[in-house]
Amino acid sequence: DTGVSQNPRHKITKRGQNVTFRCDPISEHNRLYWYRQTLGQGPEFLTYFQNEAQLEKSRLLSDRFSAERPKGSFSTLEIQRTEQGDSAMYLCASSFFQDQGGFFGPGTRLTVL
Amino acid sequence: QKEVEQNSGPLSVPEGAIASLNCTYSDRGSQSFFWYRQYSGKSPELIMSIYSNGDKEDGRFTAQLNNASQYVSLLIRDSQPSDSATYLCAVNSGNQFYFGTGTSLTVIP
Repeated sequence: DTGVSQNPRHKITKRGQNVTFRCDPISEHNRLYWYRQTLGQGPEFLTYFQNEAQLEKSRLLSDRFSAERPKGSFSTLEIQRTEQGDSAMYLCASSFFQDQGGFFGPGTRLTVL
Repeated sequence: QKEVEQNSGPLSVPEGAIASLNCTYSDRGSQSFFWYRQYSGKSPELIMSIYSNGDKEDGRFTAQLNNASQYVSLLIRDSQPSDSATYLCAVNSGNQFYFGTGTSLTVIP
C-alpha cells in the first residue's frame, strides 16, 4: 500500500489525558499537513511541514497541540490535556509540490469522554 | 468572512443530468484550487485541480475558474448514483489550504 497511513484509526480517551497520533505520508512526498474535521464541516488546517521543518501553524491552534516530523518522514500530532471539544477526525495529507493538493490518509477518529 | 464558501445543499439531480457545484473564495492571491469528493465516513479524495483562469476537463468532470469573480465551479456530466457524496472546494493560500464546508450531492436513479 503506497498511500498515506494513519494510526490509530480510532482513539477513545478520557478528558485530561494526552493522546498521540501518527501519520506516514507517501514516501516521496516532502510536504505534510494535519487537519481536523468535525461533522458537517470541511477539514480545518492545523499545521504544515516541509521535510522536517514546521513552516505553518494555525493561529487558532491551542498550545495543547504539538506536532513533529523528526526525520522528514512520519509525523506525530500530540494533544495534551484533552477536552471534549477536541473530539473530531484528525486527518493527515501529503504532497510533493505545494500547489499539488494533498492526498489524505484515512484519518484518526478521536472521542474524548 | 470565511476564506472559502460553498452552498451546503443538499443538491439533488437525476441520473444522467449535469450537477453544478459552486465555490467562492476571499483571497485574491490564491493561485491553486481543488475539488475533493468525500463519501460518508471516508476521507477526502482529490478529483480535480485548476491553476489558471478558464476550464479544465477530466473525463466527466470540468472545473471552471474565474479569478476576477473569485469563483470556482465543478460540473459533473452524466451524473451517476456513485457520484453521491459531499464535494469540498479547497484553496491554497500561502502554505495553507482552506476548505469550504462542502456541498452534499445526491444523484437519484
